[in-house]
Amino acid sequence: QQQVKQSPQSLIVQKGGISIINCAYENTAFDYFPWYQQFPGKGPALLIAIRPDVSEKKEGRFTISFNKSAKQFSLHIMDSQPGDSATYFCAASEGGGADGLTFGKGTHLIIQP
Amino acid sequence: NAGVTQTPKFQVLKTGQSMTLQCAQDMNHEYMSWYRQDPGMGLRLIHYSVGAGITDQGEVPNGYNVSRSTTEDFPLRLLSAAPSQTSVYFCASSFPGLGYYEQYFGPGTRLTVT
Repeated sequence: QQQVKQSPQSLIVQKGGISIINCAYENTAFDYFPWYQQFPGKGPALLIAIRPDVSEKKEGRFTISFNKSAKQFSLHIMDSQPGDSATYFCAASEGGGADGLTFGKGTHLIIQP
Repeated sequence: NAGVTQTPKFQVLKTGQSMTLQCAQDMNHEYMSWYRQDPGMGLRLIHYSVGAGITDQGEVPNGYNVSRSTTEDFPLRLLSAAPSQTSVYFCASSFPGLGYYEQYFGPGTRLTVT
């Protein structure tokens, strides 16, 4: 049973556009929701994270929107740039991440110049 | 700081061979973990440790052993490699900052079992 479902699997966005990646979870005990960015041949890097006590968190061009009642959260990348082309993973965890992360399957994002 | 380091970067094993994937961190993080990444599967937790001498199983622990004798090191052992263990392995370390555990990943070890 997949506990974190991520969509779309791949996404192509024009430079300057908004990239949106969605995730849904099932475990209501999850209390920490990070997003990771991964470039080919590299390890995942933490991009932004949110706790369920807030509905939105913004860091630069990256925003997480969180809907606790729908058990969904999404990543928005504003003014998308070719350097944003990467694979993005959502994740979730209980205990603020202390018990390890459950990842979505990833979204391969391509920003066309 | 070097952060999280993993060795080797690449490894090819034959079925039945054993090996140890090394992971070290110099950030004095108590929490360390191992994940495997397979195409289209995301990352899956193998084992984790909340401190020296303490380990626990994750989602996919079968076929892997771990121990944590020091804060810095968290090796992952494959006792009898199988083709199903062909994967990219990532080690991560984290600390409880601001109420949650920010995890820092190493560069990975690409393992092929033939």
